[in-house]
Order: sequence, then structure tokens, then C-alpha cells
Amino acid sequence: QKEVEQDPGPLSVPEGAIVSLNCTYSNSAFQYFMWYRQYSRKGPELLMYTYSSGNKEDGRFTAQVDKSSKYISLFIRDSQPSDSATYLCAMSEWNNDMRFGAGTRLTVKP
Amino acid sequence: EAQVTQNPRYLITVTGKKLTVTCSQNMNHEYMSWYRQDPGLGLRQIYYSMNVEVTDKGDVPEGYKVSRKEKRNFPLILESPSPNQTSLYFCASSPRQATNEKLFFGSGTQLSVL
Repeated sequence: QKEVEQDPGPLSVPEGAIVSLNCTYSNSAFQYFMWYRQYSRKGPELLMYTYSSGNKEDGRFTAQVDKSSKYISLFIRDSQPSDSATYLCAMSEWNNDMRFGAGTRLTVKP
Repeated sequence: EAQVTQNPRYLITVTGKKLTVTCSQNMNHEYMSWYRQDPGLGLRQIYYSMNVEVTDKGDVPEGYKVSRKEKRNFPLILESPSPNQTSLYFCASSPRQATNEKLFFGSGTQLSVL
């Protein structure tokens, strides 16, 4: 069993849709949870960062962490074609020794 | 502009021919790291460095070497590349090795070993 599981998709939605991206994990010691966005032919860039459980909102993006279920989510409201990218979840115990999901490829169609 | 620069972007080589992928950051970051990205496996850490002359193995270090002689540079060396090292490689840096520090990634090096 992988330490971090993420559905690779691909996921295709119409512009304006609400997108839900998810990861599950097995290591209960993970405390730090991140979402990275990776455009084609580019390196990942940090999108959202959350410590422990709870929600965090930034504009159209909301990150949720449920440590009891070992499940994290990223919601994108009013999705735009510019949101088309691969989204990687990442998590770690206490330092930058991060574990990444395989990434979900998202396409938002105009 | 703050950035992590990798070279080359694309590289095709043959088995056994030594190669070096360069990585340079202009942000005075202490922490640097190399990852490989393979379909279905995500990003896996190869080596990392917490500061000059301090390097350590990540999850998949076999077949790779690194050095950190200067703070800004962290080259990845494949002494004898093999086809299973065909992958997309990323260099990353952050101010220090702390999870609340944002990782900055380079644009990647696509390596094909024939």
C-alpha cells in the first residue's frame, strides 16, 4: 500500500463547475498537508498549506484535512480554464521530508 | 527574479555515459533537493542537502550522486545511467528544511536513457 494515494484522473469539468480533488494516506503521524499545482512542462508550485486538521480558504480554493479519516481534499469553486493542471497532494511529519501523491490531471473546458 | 534553474531541459543519452544535471538557485536558500517524477508514482526524493557540504539520501538514491560545494548549486550526477533512470527530474529549494517553508521547484529536466 502506498503511503499517499491519489486518483490520477484525468478529470474533465466544464468551466464554472466545483472541482473536488482528494487524497488518502496511511501514516497517522503526518501533520502538514499541502497541495501543489503543476502546469504542463513546469515544476510544481505550492497552492495551499494546512497544518493538522481543519479547513483553509484562499480565494476560490479550499483545503480540508480530516485526520481521523486520513483524508484530505482540495475544492476549486467557479473553475476556470486556467485551472487546468495536475494537482499534487503532499504531506509530511515535521520537516521537508514530504510524501507526494501521484497527481490528478484536471482539465476545465470553456 | 527568484528562481531555481535547471539545465538541460531535455537530455537523451545512452546507457553508461556519465552525465550531470545542473541546478542553481538565486534565493540564498539553505535547503535543496532532487526529485524524480514518474507516472503513477508521483515525486520521489533522490537526495537532499541542508547546507553546504551536507547531503543525505532520500528515498531513491541508488545510481545517483550529488555535491553541494556552494550554497547556490546542487548538481545531480549519474555516473553510469541506465534505462530505468529515464524520468522527469526536478530540483527544489527552500530557505531551510522545515515543512512550513515553501519549496520552490525548477522547470524540470526530461531525461531519456537509451
